[in-house]
Amino acid sequence: KNEVEQSPQNLTAQEGEFITINCSYSVGISALHWLQQHPGGGIVSLFMLSSGKKKHGRLIATINIQEKHSSLHITASHPRDSAVYICAVLNYGGSQGNLIFGKGTKLSVKP
Amino acid sequence: GAVVSQHPSRVICKSGTSVKIECRSLDFQATTMFWYRQFPKQSLMLMATSNEGSKATYEQGVEKDKFLINHASLTLSTLTVTSAHPEDSSFYICSASFGGRRSSNSPLHFGNGTRLTVT
Repeated sequence: KNEVEQSPQNLTAQEGEFITINCSYSVGISALHWLQQHPGGGIVSLFMLSSGKKKHGRLIATINIQEKHSSLHITASHPRDSAVYICAVLNYGGSQGNLIFGKGTKLSVKP
Repeated sequence: GAVVSQHPSRVICKSGTSVKIECRSLDFQATTMFWYRQFPKQSLMLMATSNEGSKATYEQGVEKDKFLINHASLTLSTLTVTSAHPEDSSFYICSASFGGRRSSNSPLHFGNGTRLTVT
C-alpha cells in the first residue's frame, strides 16, 4: 500500500461543477502540499497546510490530522482547471523537499 | 511569475552522451534545491537534495556517479545525466524553497521540468 493514496485517479466534470479530490496518508507528517501539474509538466504549489483549512480563490484545501486525510475542493470548475492534482506529504522530521507524492488525480473539465 | 527557472525544457540525446539540466532560483537565494524524477503515469520521486557549497545527498537507489549534481552558487544547481541510456528517459524537475533545508514552513517552488529522451 502506498503511503499517500489519492482518489479518484481520474475525474471528468462539467464546467461549473463542484469538485473534490481526496488524499489519505499513513505516515506522520509535518505538512501536506497540494500541487497542480499542467500537461507540459510544470508544477505549481497550490497549498501547503498542516492543520485546518485554507482558501485561495475557487480552491479550498482541508486537512484532518487525526484522520490523516486531506481534501482539495474546486468550486465553479472551469476548463482551465484541467490538470493533474498531486497530494504530497512531508514526513515528520524530514527535510523540506523530501516529499512523498501521491500518484495524482487527472481532472478534465468539459465546457 | 516563475521563481524557479529550469532549462532546457526538452532534450533528445543519443545513448552514451551526457546531458546537463540547469535549475535557477530567481529573485531569491536557495541554499537547498531538490531534484525529482517522474516516469510516465508514476509519482514524482526525490532523487537528491542539492546543497550549496557541499556535496549532494542522494536518495537510496540513485547512482551519484550517474546523476552528478553541482550547486555552485545560491541561485544555480545543475543535474548532469552522464552516459545516458534509454532507461534514463524521464521527466526531471527541480524545486527550491526560501526557507532552506529544515524549514517546513516555506512553500516549494518548482521549475517547469525537463523531458529527457535518450535514443
